[in-house]
Amino acid sequence: DAMVIQNPRYQVTQFGKPVTLSCSQTLNHNVMYWYQQKSSQAPKLLFHYYDKDFNNEADTPDNFQSRRPNTSFCFLDIRSPGLGDAAMYLCATSPHSTEYNEQFFGPGTRLTVL
Amino acid sequence: AQSVTQLDSQVPVFEEAPVELRCNYSSSVSVYLFWYVQYPNQGLQLLLKYLSGSTLVKGINGFEAEFNKSQTSFHLRKPSVHISDTAEYFCAVSGKGGGNKLTFGTGTQLKVEL
Repeated sequence: DAMVIQNPRYQVTQFGKPVTLSCSQTLNHNVMYWYQQKSSQAPKLLFHYYDKDFNNEADTPDNFQSRRPNTSFCFLDIRSPGLGDAAMYLCATSPHSTEYNEQFFGPGTRLTVL
Repeated sequence: AQSVTQLDSQVPVFEEAPVELRCNYSSSVSVYLFWYVQYPNQGLQLLLKYLSGSTLVKGINGFEAEFNKSQTSFHLRKPSVHISDTAEYFCAVSGKGGGNKLTFGTGTQLKVEL
């Protein structure tokens, strides 16, 4: 089945220690998104790629970076995680060829910062 | 810009009872509307979507929603819930021509009790 895969599902890091979360997709979608979701809150868009074109949200902290080396993979780098960065991180994809924005989500990575 | 309001943060209901989860939106342009479900420690799964045409939309797991343009609402309903429907439900909106972005509501926790 075509899908969106996130690894790892659970990640523990230390305060200030860089961490990378990964996302891969077999849907061959043009657009990939990263969301941050804190407990009992709505997903918050951090940034998205349309192919290799990177689009950052205005309020995304500089501490968060992303890379998309090819269509299938996208990475979220947190350069110096703080306690406030503990959250679920969701990756999603979308086929830009469609007019509407149905997004397909991965299972998420839950990040704990000690 | 768009916004979404989910009026109920939690909805408790007994098994086999009907349920309605409320969603209102605001937008200066025509919209596409979505309901997603999130089970604990999982990603978001699309329940149903309204793009155009019939205002009554049927989705997976027996859920349906009705688009009401005059009331700017998109309430989700199920005539008889099951324990397995216990989850977080998110309403989301995308503005036509607004790029590849979804705006989510803050979610409604549906808790089905025996």
